[in-house]
Amino acid sequence: DAKTTQPPSMDCAEGRAANLPCNHSTISGNEYVYWYRQIHSQGPQYIIHGLKNNETNEMASLIITEDRKSSTLILPHATLRDTAVYYCIVGRFGGATNKLIFGTGTLLAVQP
Amino acid sequence: DSGVTQTPKHLITATGQRVTLRCSPRSGDLSVYWYQQSLDQGLQFLIQYYNGEERAKGNILERFSAQQFPDLHSELNLSSLELGDSALYFCASSANQGVREVTGNEQFFGPGTRLTVL
Repeated sequence: DAKTTQPPSMDCAEGRAANLPCNHSTISGNEYVYWYRQIHSQGPQYIIHGLKNNETNEMASLIITEDRKSSTLILPHATLRDTAVYYCIVGRFGGATNKLIFGTGTLLAVQP
Repeated sequence: DSGVTQTPKHLITATGQRVTLRCSPRSGDLSVYWYQQSLDQGLQFLIQYYNGEERAKGNILERFSAQQFPDLHSELNLSSLELGDSALYFCASSANQGVREVTGNEQFFGPGTRLTVL
């Protein structure tokens, strides 16, 4: 599975968009990009995933560059409850197993 | 609420003891995953079961074992406990339809069991 690189921490003002970057320069053609978050010792929560097209759901948007070597998770209007560690995970999901290999993630602190 | 339940929420025990953590997956999910989160190691995949069979193994110690029962609930058994086994243990489930490629196969995590070994 490809490795990912994320900044260790970021700040964002409440109500503003939070843009969380992730580098995955060794991603292969059949690997997906998944984003999860963990709010203070709770179980991780799935946010969004994509292969090569940009994706949007009720929680966030995922922008993947054309060469797929990096992506950005966008929380359009961050709230205090979005303060969490955000994990970008790359892997070939599906088939018999889709274990998640977590890195160190980005601690997003949303400031009032 | 993810639909995944884990018991107990907290467990305090002594070194050398054995404990069992229990997980009930979301209704209909066939795969169960176990993860360990400690302060120094972060979130680590331990083991996966699919419909009662072991599917993938990660950094699981030989002192640890797991199984998935016919009703799809799973148990993680930790024996000869050491101080370093103190951690949060999470269970997750997914639909995972076996060998057929499935996208959007996200995992749903339970609230975790906090194990403290004294």
